[in-house]
Amino acid sequence: DADVTQTPRNRITKTGKRIMLECSQTKGHDRMYWYRQDPGLGLRLIYYSFDVKDINKGEISDGYSVSRQAQAKFSLSLESAIPNQTALYFCATSEGGMAEAFFGQGTRLTVV
Amino acid sequence: AQTVTQSQPEMSVQEAETVTLSCTYDTSESDYYLFWYKQPPSRQMILVIRQEAYKQQNATENRFSVNFQKAAKSFSLKISDSQLGDAAMYFCAYRRPGAQKLVFGQGTRLTINP
Repeated sequence: DADVTQTPRNRITKTGKRIMLECSQTKGHDRMYWYRQDPGLGLRLIYYSFDVKDINKGEISDGYSVSRQAQAKFSLSLESAIPNQTALYFCATSEGGMAEAFFGQGTRLTVV
Repeated sequence: AQTVTQSQPEMSVQEAETVTLSCTYDTSESDYYLFWYKQPPSRQMILVIRQEAYKQQNATENRFSVNFQKAAKSFSLKISDSQLGDAAMYFCAYRRPGAQKLVFGQGTRLTINP
């Protein structure tokens, strides 16, 4: 089983719909992140959380919200999806003293 | 703000040959980390190699090695004896100690020709 699991793997939704992307991890890491990948732009940080009571905005948080339900669970919501939110979304984890992050398999979201 | 630039959107190499992917970055920090991540068609982001800026020795992981030029702010990835399974998108990334995020380059798509 993957250490960082994202659901769903693929999703097509309509403009204006609310959608939630879920992430769970078994690595025991305290830090969790949501990144967005767009062609030619690499990955950009949406939100991050250092523990259940800590939520922080990244560089592109507008239009998104998150919830850290437990140390192992971090979900990303699009309250009202729009077509330019079509992208590949990654959840990642890291431990406090570590520099690198470990990624899930990504969720490809298409907003039509 | 730190930036990472990968100037080669696409590269190709013959199987068994060597290829070098380029990465440059901009920072005013003296201590930081650099990474290469591989993204195969499965989409999984896989850490290939990491380099600490305070270490002068270039990192090596099996067929993967880096050429870290701190003064030039350059961090290239060399893949020796290229294999078909090396075909992927490769991302260079930077992180300074205490920072919350990785800063990624735009990616280089590597094709391996049999």
